[in-house]
Parts: sequence; structure tokens; C-alpha cells
Amino acid sequence: DGGITQSPKYLFRKEGQNVTLSCEQNLNHDAMYWYRQDPGQGLRLIYYSQIVNDFQKGDIAEGYSVSREKKESFPLTVTSAQKNPTAFYLCASSTSGHPNSYEQYFGPGTRLTVT
Amino acid sequence: GENVEQHPSTLSVQEGDSAVIKCTYSDSASNYFPWYKQELGKRPQLIIDIRSNVGEKKDQRIAVTLNKTAKHFSLHITETQPEDSAVYFCAALGGSYIPTFGRGTSLIVHP
Repeated sequence: DGGITQSPKYLFRKEGQNVTLSCEQNLNHDAMYWYRQDPGQGLRLIYYSQIVNDFQKGDIAEGYSVSREKKESFPLTVTSAQKNPTAFYLCASSTSGHPNSYEQYFGPGTRLTVT
Repeated sequence: GENVEQHPSTLSVQEGDSAVIKCTYSDSASNYFPWYKQELGKRPQLIIDIRSNVGEKKDQRIAVTLNKTAKHFSLHITETQPEDSAVYFCAALGGSYIPTFGRGTSLIVHP
């Protein structure tokens, strides 16, 4: 299970507080992604980054922010502006632009509960 | 953008039966179609993939077929076992390398 890690596994926060989810990878992958998983909704893309110091909004970026200061790290902040933040959050990484390596490697996920 | 539809949302089979999950996509430029398996409480993991220049690919009990004309692809699992019980996601990728996932199929294999 090594390669890409997320912490913590479970996170509880009060409504109105910002919270940052950690994602680290040692696979030397250029690209990193954040997904939100809700029952029956599949994997919805929040943000992605294909290179250090650059990132792009995904389909559901509102209320979230990210940074990519290091190749290994792609933290996600869930802000108080996110209307329904309780969910399971998955981080993933992949090589970027290599035609033979589209596989995404997922972290174990963080389950965030906001009350 | 790309849109991926996946059916059924739930599939219940008896051990030893076959299971088929179907996906359709909208962007004719998509050229890579992976399938991920997510066991309860675990991370999704790639189980098989297919590229647009291939019509079928097999790996032991699992196979994937692709019909580019109709823009659909399917996952076939033969001789299902209880450990096949999981949520399966299909996805489609094109030139952007950003996957669009289906909503997932919960496969339940009854012993």
C-alpha cells in the first residue's frame, strides 16, 4: 500500500471551520488529483495538477482550494464556503503525458465529517 | 466535456455466474478506457484497461470489450467469486489525460 498516502483517515470538524487534507506521493509522478466520493455519485474531480506550481479546477472546485509547491505533495483545503463538505476524499497520482501510463494510483482516502 | 454513463448501479449474482457491466461515453476523441475495483473501505485499483486500437482484452476471469463506433465498452467477469464483490468504476480518457469516471456499479456475489 505504499506510494501515495493520505492523512488523517478520519477527520471531524465543526461547521464554519476550514480543514486541510494531506496527500503525499513518492512515486515521482508529475500529476496529482483530488476526488470526492459520495454514494451513487462515483468519483468527481475537484482539482488536479499536472506540474509543480500549477493546478486546474475540476468539475466541483467551488469551496475548495489546493496548492502544489512540491512534486510530492498536493494538500486540499475544504473551506467554510463548501456547502456540503461531509464526504470521502480520494487523492490520486499518475505520470503526466506518457502515452503508456495513464493509470491512476489512489491513496487510502480521508473521510471528512462536518457537523 | 466527456460524459460517461455506467449501468447497472447494482448487480447481484450467484457465485459461479457471469457479470457484465456496461459503460457509454460521449467524446469520440477518448482513447483509453480503464476499469477500477474498489473493495469496501479500500482505495480504487486498476484491474484492466483497453485502448482504442483494440477491440477486446482478457486477463484470466475478466475481460473488457470496446465498440468505438457505438461508443460503449463493457467489463465481463466470468465464474464470479465472493471476493469479486466490490464497486467497479469505468472511466474514459482522451488527450487531456484527465479521466471521467462512471458512477460505479456495486457487484454483490452471493455464495
